[in-house]
Amino acid sequence: VQLVESGGGLVKPGGSLRLSCAASGFTFTSYTMTWVRQAPGKGLEWVSSISTSSTYIYYADSVEGRFTISRDNPKNSLYLQMSSLRDEDTAVYYCARKILTGNSRGVPDYWGQGTLVTVSS
Amino acid sequence: EIMLTQTPLSLSVTPGQPASISCKSNQSLLHSDGRTYLYWYLQRSGQSPQLLIYEISSRFSGVPDKFSGSGSGTDFTLKISRVEAEDVGLYYCMQGIQPLTFGGGTKVEI
Repeated sequence: VQLVESGGGLVKPGGSLRLSCAASGFTFTSYTMTWVRQAPGKGLEWVSSISTSSTYIYYADSVEGRFTISRDNPKNSLYLQMSSLRDEDTAVYYCARKILTGNSRGVPDYWGQGTLVTVSS
Repeated sequence: EIMLTQTPLSLSVTPGQPASISCKSNQSLLHSDGRTYLYWYLQRSGQSPQLLIYEISSRFSGVPDKFSGSGSGTDFTLKISRVEAEDVGLYYCMQGIQPLTFGGGTKVEI
């Protein structure tokens, strides 16, 4: 299982950024996918999850209405479109695969190495 | 939103000795499907988290049996039978009832 995030960087408050995650080593279409973030020196925060066919999408309250999760199954890719970014969105963003067992809506088993998003003027 | 409280915040352990971390939830994590959605992760310094335990007590693929999980309802425990240098890092519990939330983390050091 390999998950490789990209697209992070420095962006001004109010700006936008699109994160990507390239998945390999497993059948991407069989797994719900998740984004989790970690502010510098802080704990983990679930951001969003998307089901296999994009039928079910869930967001944390802190990003609802500003972030959009999506996936492209033929390309084995996961995305996170982030807009109206705030200082408090500064974090490492991890792409993760949902564990197959159980009916949780996105609890991860495998994680990528993360991509850093810095929101600052 | 379900809140998870981990104790202790940090733990210093002698190599070869056991360690125990508690995770308490403000609501039952027993789902209507009969499963309890409580998980444990280890995040080593500079690395992404790795899953250790799922649904209270099942070890994830490749996780050594020195790690064990127990508990029910709202009270859960992760135990390391014999701590080694490679076990140093931040341990997080996580609950899988929407919205997903993590505990604040427990730092384990030698």
